[in-house]
Amino acid sequence: GEDVEQSLFLSVREGDSSVINCTYTDSSSTYLYWYKQEPGAGLQLLTYIFSNMDMKQDQRLTVLLNKKDKHLSLRIADTQTGDSAIYFCAETPSGNTPLVFGKGTRLSVIA
Amino acid sequence: KAGVTQTPRYLIKTRGQQVTLSCSPISGHRSVSWYQQTPGQGLQFLFEYFSETQRNKGNFPGRFSGRQFSNSRSEMNVSTLELGDSALYLCASSLSEPTDTQYFGPGTRLTVL
Repeated sequence: GEDVEQSLFLSVREGDSSVINCTYTDSSSTYLYWYKQEPGAGLQLLTYIFSNMDMKQDQRLTVLLNKKDKHLSLRIADTQTGDSAIYFCAETPSGNTPLVFGKGTRLSVIA
Repeated sequence: KAGVTQTPRYLIKTRGQQVTLSCSPISGHRSVSWYQQTPGQGLQFLFEYFSETQRNKGNFPGRFSGRQFSNSRSEMNVSTLELGDSALYLCASSLSEPTDTQYFGPGTRLTVL
């Protein structure tokens, strides 16, 4: 497909792990990003992974990259109510072009 | 280091008017990109500036324009506003390439009545 695809909604219980999935479009993308957006705010860079890596861990966040399937996932361990937000996956397609975003996954954390 | 700042944070305009939004990048960042965010279309790239020159452009009508100053601050202008221009306008800065990590400002919420 032509678009970066994400599921629109995810609901988890506080303390559980959340896994947000993304399928990107360009196998030449150098970096893949995860951004978080809270209500009324801009985008906060959460983490990114270089295309020659399979996994990156940063505290509660784990990013997995499957280049063959062009699949990216973000796992949030011990999900808290403060993690409730919209999470955007973004890629940097080949060439000198800026970010291409998915539509975002709205994560709701139930106490 | 201060983050990306955008002014104003909120704007209300009427159809047919024009508007100018401002963005100050992180110190040392020379690339500034603008995005429009709407519920229906999501995040769409408007344009990117580097060294006072537009380097990349998205698929928006000519009513949307921008510029960058020698201190890397950028402005975007929308003329002849339409109801559909109501959106959150986000500015992002990066070191020099648009493929460098982009850091976003809080956005300007534009409402067109």
